Amino acid sequence: EVQLLESGGGLVQPGGSLRLSCAGSGFTFSSYAMTWVRQAPGKGLEWVSSISVSGTNTYYTDSVKGRFTISRDNSKNTLFLQMNSLRAEDTALYYCATLLSHAFDVWGQGTMVTFSS
Amino acid sequence: QTVVTQESSFSVSPGGTVTLTCGLRSGSVSNTNYPSWYQQTPGQAPRTLIYSTNIRSSGVPDRFSGSILGNKAALTITGAQADDESDYYCVLYMGSGIRVFGGGTKLTVL
Repeated sequence: EVQLLESGGGLVQPGGSLRLSCAGSGFTFSSYAMTWVRQAPGKGLEWVSSISVSGTNTYYTDSVKGRFTISRDNSKNTLFLQMNSLRAEDTALYYCATLLSHAFDVWGQGTMVTFSS
Repeated sequence: QTVVTQESSFSVSPGGTVTLTCGLRSGSVSNTNYPSWYQQTPGQAPRTLIYSTNIRSSGVPDRFSGSILGNKAALTITGAQADDESDYYCVLYMGSGIRVFGGGTKLTVL
């Protein structure tokens, strides 16, 4: 069964950092570009970042550039999102997904990042 | 900043047909934006319906179809069913690895 399992979410303080992980199974992880999408409570979906198959190319939405870093370890079938200088508006459920033909294909169930003041 | 527009809400009668649209505040949507569509019910992860304008994702029934209508991407649901009541999101590829979600359409089946 193709599966993505996110982890690493939690309570974070202003300016804090958090590292999200997304473990893939049931498919050849190293053959797929990957992405992070987030959803603030009660709000719509927002594309956050994507990474190429090899990890060479990375892309970010403007609001996270310079604060978030996407990376992957194909030997461990794992995608990461390092989030620094966190802000209240980063509070969201973070999904990872595979990228196929410019679309998000397989989705995980998400990991929640909550901002604590 | 790119803004992708969707109807905020729509309603359809059971068995009816509804077309949701996905546009750009500035410009037209084309196949080179690789429009894709996602369905999300409360508390669930999104489900991929359509990609590359009109290709149905695996397991998606053929009553869901995608197209370009005028200057917008469109998702048409034919023979709407009660469990189609969901939020629907489109995504446009804007080039250089950048993707933008629309604000979503809340579809009511009644």
